[in-house]
Amino acid sequence: QQQVRQSPQSLTVWEGETAILNCSYENSAFDYFPWYQQFPGEGPALLIAIRSVSDKKEDGRFTIFFNKREKKLSLHITDSQPGDSATYFCAASSSFSKLVFGQGTSLSVVP
Amino acid sequence: GALVYQYPRRTICKSGTSMRMECQAVGFQATSVAWYRQSPQKTFELIALSTVNSAIKYEQNFTQEKFPISHPNLSFSSMTVLNAYLEDRGLYLCGARTGPNERLFFGHGTKLSVL
Repeated sequence: QQQVRQSPQSLTVWEGETAILNCSYENSAFDYFPWYQQFPGEGPALLIAIRSVSDKKEDGRFTIFFNKREKKLSLHITDSQPGDSATYFCAASSSFSKLVFGQGTSLSVVP
Repeated sequence: GALVYQYPRRTICKSGTSMRMECQAVGFQATSVAWYRQSPQKTFELIALSTVNSAIKYEQNFTQEKFPISHPNLSFSSMTVLNAYLEDRGLYLCGARTGPNERLFFGHGTKLSVL
């Protein structure tokens, strides 16, 4: 049973557009939600993270919107650049559980 | 900043042989190290979670007999894949953190190919 789900599986946007990556989870106890960015042949790099006490976290062009009631969150990448093309993983954990990953969204930013 | 180094980056071994991979945390104390395997389909499987001064906890389908792990101090961990076969192929990732539910930093991974 997939505890963390991501959509879409793949996404293509034009350079300069905003990319929206979605994530949902099932375990109400999850309270920490990191997003990882992974380029081919590399390990995942922590991009931005949010805790359930917040509904928004911003870092430059990357923003997480969090809806605790609906158990959903999304990553918005504004002014997308070709260098943002990568696979993005949403993950979730609590103090008592391991970090669980979604299946990833492959983002392509077309110049 | 916090960095996690893994080596080797890539390794090829013959079917039935073993290989060891290492993980080094730099700039922070890795009280907890998680070893994951990422399949070619990109899914992450947690192999085991190692916390200093606690027993290593293996996930279902992974055993100490197959994936022995050492975590002797706050900056180093190693894992061995014993008797590797085709189904063990993948990118093995070491994730280190300073405490439970804290940020998990990954190394580049060790890509294992089995002939």
